[in-house]
Amino acid sequence: GESVGLHLPTLSVQEGDNSIINCAYSNSASDYFIWYKQESGKGPQFIIDIRSNMDKRQGQRVTVLLNKTVKHLSLQIAATQPGDSAVYFCAENMEGQGGKLIFGQGTELSVKP
Amino acid sequence: NAGVMQNPRHLVRRRGQEARLRCSPMKGHSHVYWYRQLPEEGLKFMVYLQKENIIDESGMPKERFSAEFPKEGPSILRIQQVVRGDSAAYFCASSSKQETQYFGPGTRLLVL
Repeated sequence: GESVGLHLPTLSVQEGDNSIINCAYSNSASDYFIWYKQESGKGPQFIIDIRSNMDKRQGQRVTVLLNKTVKHLSLQIAATQPGDSAVYFCAENMEGQGGKLIFGQGTELSVKP
Repeated sequence: NAGVMQNPRHLVRRRGQEARLRCSPMKGHSHVYWYRQLPEEGLKFMVYLQKENIIDESGMPKERFSAEFPKEGPSILRIQQVVRGDSAAYFCASSSKQETQYFGPGTRLLVL
């Protein structure tokens, strides 16, 4: 079925440490995933995406890993900063259904100074 | 290049009134998606529109909710006879050819 879920609702890290946010999905045919960051009172902000023909993709301080065998993806944030504090959502882009996004529940990242 | 714009940012309605939420997509984007976010939850897809056409409304409640994206002007999400359970943040996203969706700041609806 269509479902994307997150392992942990909250994550607290020390400033400067690396953060890892996990996400599981159930549809083995899923092909396109996106990570969004949502700060309080704002709309989701695109961070990085990955397609199923890739295992890893890197951006600025962020890396997304996709493990299709166990249907799991993760977002890694290097040298976490206070400005990274937000709720992070993984989402599946249902390209075969017009591109609508199926969101997970979200992980709240809190960065301690 | 302005991003996705939504107005109003905050809307207060009494039960039974109508709520109209507006979304102007990014320049050059012809695909609009509406999502609803309840407190402490993720976003839920409601409807997908292209200019003058509703493509997928599978996430829309069957009654009281409607959406349009006219040839000219913003996309409108309309909620008639609002109830307290409609209180939520409503987000609009736009894209070009079903690619990366960019979100607006949302409209926070409060029904008293």
